[in-house]
Amino acid sequence: ILNVEQSPQSLHVQEGDSTNFTCSFPSSNFYALHWYRWETAKSPEALFVMTLNGDEKKKGRISATLNTKEGYSYLYIKGSQPEDSATYLCAHRGSTLGRLYFGRGTQLTVWP
Amino acid sequence: GAVVSQHPSRVICKSGTSVKIECRSLDFQATTMFWYRQFPKQSLMLMATSNEGSKATYEQGVEKDKFLINHASLTLSTLTVTSAHPEDSSFYICSAGQTQRFSGNTIYFGEGSWLTVV
Repeated sequence: ILNVEQSPQSLHVQEGDSTNFTCSFPSSNFYALHWYRWETAKSPEALFVMTLNGDEKKKGRISATLNTKEGYSYLYIKGSQPEDSATYLCAHRGSTLGRLYFGRGTQLTVWP
Repeated sequence: GAVVSQHPSRVICKSGTSVKIECRSLDFQATTMFWYRQFPKQSLMLMATSNEGSKATYEQGVEKDKFLINHASLTLSTLTVTSAHPEDSSFYICSAGQTQRFSGNTIYFGEGSWLTVV
């Protein structure tokens, strides 16, 4: 069982604020790092699959960076909107197989 | 994007009975699917890897006789919780990718199933 940690556990911000959260993971046996956005009663929505050290990916106002040598990834949301409210999950993948090891998630609430 | 559908979304069963949860890939073939379980305030925990046409591979500590997995076709995997007990009450969710080795590909999740054993 891999130890994947996410912080903070929860976050409350005002609309328009920018925010970021952290995912830390074992740097050994690394293949990919997955980020998901999960709203209640819906399927987790895939945001990014990151594989290379130094990777930076962007999707609209959301971006992510990856440091495989030190074992962490940051997710950034610029100008948060109420519709960004969700739980953000990261997951470590150690091989080409699709087995993922998840953190507990960061629950983001954006107040209008 | 690809869609994975899970059914039922909620189920209540009596202690001692069995309950089946289905996971379907709707617009792609999935030779491998994965089953996870989540207890309150915990992370999604991988239970097993479901392989089409062969036996599932279980994670350490997961009872294979209790959690029966069948992957009879390229679009359907089922998880059967046998002789359910209240401690099996949990959130169960499946995932699938578009190729057997998922190299660089996104992995898609179903909506999850809430199981309550009374």
